[in-house]
Amino acid sequence: AQTVTQSQPEMSVQEAETVTLSCTYDTSESDYYLFWYKQPPSRQMILVIRQEAYKQQNATENRFSVNFQKAAKSFSLKISDSQLGDAAMYFCAYRSARGTYKYIFGTGTRLKVLA
Amino acid sequence: GAGVSQSPSNKVTEKGKDVELRCDPISGHTALYWYRQRLGQGLEFLIYFQGNSAPDKSGLPSDRFSAERTGESVSTLTIQRTQQEDSAVYLCASQISSTGSYNEQFFGPGTRLTVL
Repeated sequence: AQTVTQSQPEMSVQEAETVTLSCTYDTSESDYYLFWYKQPPSRQMILVIRQEAYKQQNATENRFSVNFQKAAKSFSLKISDSQLGDAAMYFCAYRSARGTYKYIFGTGTRLKVLA
Repeated sequence: GAGVSQSPSNKVTEKGKDVELRCDPISGHTALYWYRQRLGQGLEFLIYFQGNSAPDKSGLPSDRFSAERTGESVSTLTIQRTQQEDSAVYLCASQISSTGSYNEQFFGPGTRLTVL
């Protein structure tokens, strides 16, 4: 069975600085998707960025980028120029590209942004 | 509306009572997921529906939990004889389709269930 591990329960970053959130996963599959979701206090889950496993190029979305290391089964999220609005819980998630379409979520990292 | 909606937003019930939670997906979305999120935890998959296919119920924690969806419309999650450990936020998400190429999953705001 697939697992997703986020080893950092909480992280802090100074406004305008850069922070990296870690995620590792375990799977025997070769074709899958990886995601980072943001959950602010409103509880609304928002997709931040996604990565297809067959793509070697790291995904980027404005200030958000990932470091996808397929062999190491690592998928970290880098937030550049951190803003107060980035403060939230961040969840890493895995989904198989075929077969079961269940999403497997990590336990989350709470990001605090300091003014 | 444009997004996934859930009702009620908060529900307080007494141990042993039955509760029903509702999810209205985005129109046209054939896939619908239910998740449970306990305090300080990640999302725990419960069940998903894909069109008229048999639902994947593999995440339901006990036979007290059940869910229904008629066609591609509203879904209800029912918890019978609620227990205190059922206290959590229940999130619903919909997706155009869970098959084929990737499609984004859109979440509702969740229902916070408190069992006294």
